[in-house]
Amino acid sequence: AQSVTQLGSHVSVSEGALVLLRCNYSSSVPPYLFWYVQYPNQGLQLLLKYTTGATLVKGINGFEAEFKKSETSFHLTKPSAHMSDAAEYFCAVTRGSQGNLIFGKGTKLSVKP
Amino acid sequence: KAGVTQTPRYLIKTRGQQVTLSCSPISGHRSVSWYQQTPGQGLQFLFEYFSETQRNKGNFPGRFSGRQFSNSRSEMNVSTLELGDSALYLCASTTGTGRETQYFGPGTRLLVL
Repeated sequence: AQSVTQLGSHVSVSEGALVLLRCNYSSSVPPYLFWYVQYPNQGLQLLLKYTTGATLVKGINGFEAEFKKSETSFHLTKPSAHMSDAAEYFCAVTRGSQGNLIFGKGTKLSVKP
Repeated sequence: KAGVTQTPRYLIKTRGQQVTLSCSPISGHRSVSWYQQTPGQGLQFLFEYFSETQRNKGNFPGRFSGRQFSNSRSEMNVSTLELGDSALYLCASTTGTGRETQYFGPGTRLLVL
């Protein structure tokens, strides 16, 4: 069965600092992995996804993530945080051959001036 | 292209009532999935409809049901509302051909009193 674990429900960084949000997954089949962002009172917006091929994936707003099969991880990073990055971030995996997403519990990112 | 739209955006109901939420997918998308988001349980998959047929189902009681129309618009219904049904209900659409990116609407926030 597929599952996703996000370490840290809250992460706080200073503006300009590195952002690192952690995600580990378990999957019985090669996973498709996603990072979504949710701003207050809004739906989910796709940041990036990994399907096959290159393990370093670049997304929108300067975010990227690296798929590490040996560590079953898909951590999200951004070199320099901006105030506008404050939001909740969700890591997700698709369930087998079906399309529905299994989400982690989310990590709320705060950015201090 | 217009994104996924959901109506209404906010809803207040009382226990025992029923409610119907609507989702219009991106033009050309034939699959609509529904998710429930609560602070305690996070994001959970409800069901997916493709070409007017339920193709996949999560682990929710039978009070939660849905349908899809020939124009791919979808509705979900919750009967005999309980306090615990208070949540943000999100729908997402894809073309339905595999493990594609799901594009989310802004959600309907339901409050059950």
